[in-house]
Amino acid sequence: SQQGEEDPQALSIQEGENATMNCSYKTSINNLQWYRQNSGRGLVHLILIRSNEREKHSGRLRVTLDTSKKSSSLLITASRAADTASYFCATGDDKIIFGKGTRLHILP
Amino acid sequence: EAGVAQSPRYKIIEKRQSVAFWCNPISGHATLYWYQQILGQGPKLLIQFQNNGVVDDSQLPKDRFSAERLKGVDSTLKIQPAKLEDSAVYLCASSPSGGGIGEQFFGPGTRLTVL
Repeated sequence: SQQGEEDPQALSIQEGENATMNCSYKTSINNLQWYRQNSGRGLVHLILIRSNEREKHSGRLRVTLDTSKKSSSLLITASRAADTASYFCATGDDKIIFGKGTRLHILP
Repeated sequence: EAGVAQSPRYKIIEKRQSVAFWCNPISGHATLYWYQQILGQGPKLLIQFQNNGVVDDSQLPKDRFSAERLKGVDSTLKIQPAKLEDSAVYLCASSPSGGGIGEQFFGPGTRLTVL
């Protein structure tokens, strides 16, 4: 399977700090996606990065992809309380397979 | 535009009972997915429809789970009979195209508790 595995499983940081979470996967991919899940808005797509891209930005989010290491990272800059959520990477071509997620908690 | 709608939002049943969930995808989305998410884990794909045909149901426990997509729009997921381990959130998602090519849009989910 092409399941991604996020690291760390849980992360707590102070508001305003940057948060970094990582995803490793096992087989070659064409693209990788990051999703966020919180109680208020459910599961929401954040960003998709293709295998020929190395870095992608969306607002305070920065995603990198290293296909040689089969890994991706999601950086959230200047974190806010509203960023408290679980973050999942998802890989797959015909069907998406989600990892177990990183639980991010932003401390006031 | 309206998002993916699901009902009910919560359901509590006893083991061996039956339950059904309903999903209405975003208008015009060809692909519909049902996921099972157990507490502390990521969503697991149960079944994927492309219009009204099944694309992938390899992880659907077919002895107790069934799903259909009526006229390529709405979909229902049924569990009969339910087991304790079926307690989870059942998520419906839709996308304009199939598979991992693009973004999937998720509904709020149905939280099922089996006692």
